[in-house]
Amino acid sequence: KQEVTQIPAALSVPEGENLVLNCSFTDSAIYNLQWFRQDPGKGLTSLLLIQSSQREQTSGRLNASLDKSSGRSTLYIAASQPGDSATYLCAFLGLGANNLFFGTGTRLTVIP
Amino acid sequence: SQTIHQWPATLVQPVGSPLSLECTVEGTSNPNLYWYRQAAGRGLQLLFYSVGIGQISSEVPQNLSASRPQDRQFILSSKKLLLSDSGFYLCAWKGDSRGTQYFGPGTRLLVL
Repeated sequence: KQEVTQIPAALSVPEGENLVLNCSFTDSAIYNLQWFRQDPGKGLTSLLLIQSSQREQTSGRLNASLDKSSGRSTLYIAASQPGDSATYLCAFLGLGANNLFFGTGTRLTVIP
Repeated sequence: SQTIHQWPATLVQPVGSPLSLECTVEGTSNPNLYWYRQAAGRGLQLLFYSVGIGQISSEVPQNLSASRPQDRQFILSSKKLLLSDSGFYLCAWKGDSRGTQYFGPGTRLLVL
């Protein structure tokens, strides 16, 4: 059974700090990995998607990396802002699968 | 551009009552559609997915059912709600060939 773990479950940092969120998965046979952001009571917003053949993707202050051999992905947020406060979820699509497997998320609070 | 709608946004229902949640997608044709549930303190769980009209796959046995009467419409239903059906229900569609999934705003269901 595929498992996706996100550590830590919650994180508080002062504004301006760089931070890394971690995601680990047990099966390396993935098609892609996606990072989402979820604000309280809202749906999910796709941030970055990394194909299995890629090592990283960048969008603005966000950088996501993928290491299939170790079963890890990281989301790096540079110069954090209070508006970055949200829950961050990683999810991957397995090879030949139709659905995403989600982690339980990391709740980030950026303190002004 | 594509958009995804869900309604209602919030719903409070008594135990034993029926349920109908609706999801519609605009700006695309023949999308893969998904229903997820997010229970308090837990990750997203895939409930159903559909690759076309009238085609429904269920991932977990439960009190719920799904239907896809039109290409861009996905409905989640129950004949008799249970307390354990409470949660945040998210509809999603798969867009590009990379497998990116896009989520709707969600419906918060509270069964009392």
